[in-house]
Amino acid sequence: GAVVSQHPSWVICKSGTSVKIECRSLDFQATTMFWYRQFPKQSLMLMATSNEGSKATYEQGVEKDKFLINHASLTLSTLTVTSAHPEDSSFYICSARVQPGELFFGEGSRLTVL
Amino acid sequence: AQTVTQSQPEMSVQEAETVTLSCTYDTSESDYYLFWYKQPPSRQMILVIRQEAYKQQNATENRFSVNFQKAAKSFSLKISDSQLGDAAMYFCAYLNRDDKIIFGKGTRLHILP
Repeated sequence: GAVVSQHPSWVICKSGTSVKIECRSLDFQATTMFWYRQFPKQSLMLMATSNEGSKATYEQGVEKDKFLINHASLTLSTLTVTSAHPEDSSFYICSARVQPGELFFGEGSRLTVL
Repeated sequence: AQTVTQSQPEMSVQEAETVTLSCTYDTSESDYYLFWYKQPPSRQMILVIRQEAYKQQNATENRFSVNFQKAAKSFSLKISDSQLGDAAMYFCAYLNRDDKIIFGKGTRLHILP
């Protein structure tokens, strides 16, 4: 199956700094990628839809200035958590659409803000 | 808006036995996809099984099968011959026409040796 890779898998940062998480489609081109957030022992919540060459579409309640998404190429989408605070600590997962009805997920990135 | 409901927060099954995880959903769309994903402690989302709504035949993948009842909006997962490696969090998910995926709250499955 298609491979989606996330980097880093685990990041610790100080409060007030910005952190970038990358999501790459390794063996296919993805015009659309998705970003999710998962709190401990909870389900995944869609944060935003990332479209190559255009602005991301954010779900209701997600701060677009806090979570910057860039999809500059057909194989890379990035999520930048700006001025991170402890409440931003979470597990972030991306997925990429291979074809209609088929999504592949990255391994996830655990963010801890001290 | 579409919703996905998993009514069983936790389940346990004896190794080698069969277990069924429940999932219901709500939608006004006629064309969509349904999934079961497994999330082990590594937290990698692993696709277990996929069902296209327009297909009446229930999807099957080795020991995993679904009972898809479109009219009842029900999509249960049956795991046969349960193995220790099946222990994980299982999420039922609905994918709409915009490729937005909506997850249920999950069912934690324990396998008893």
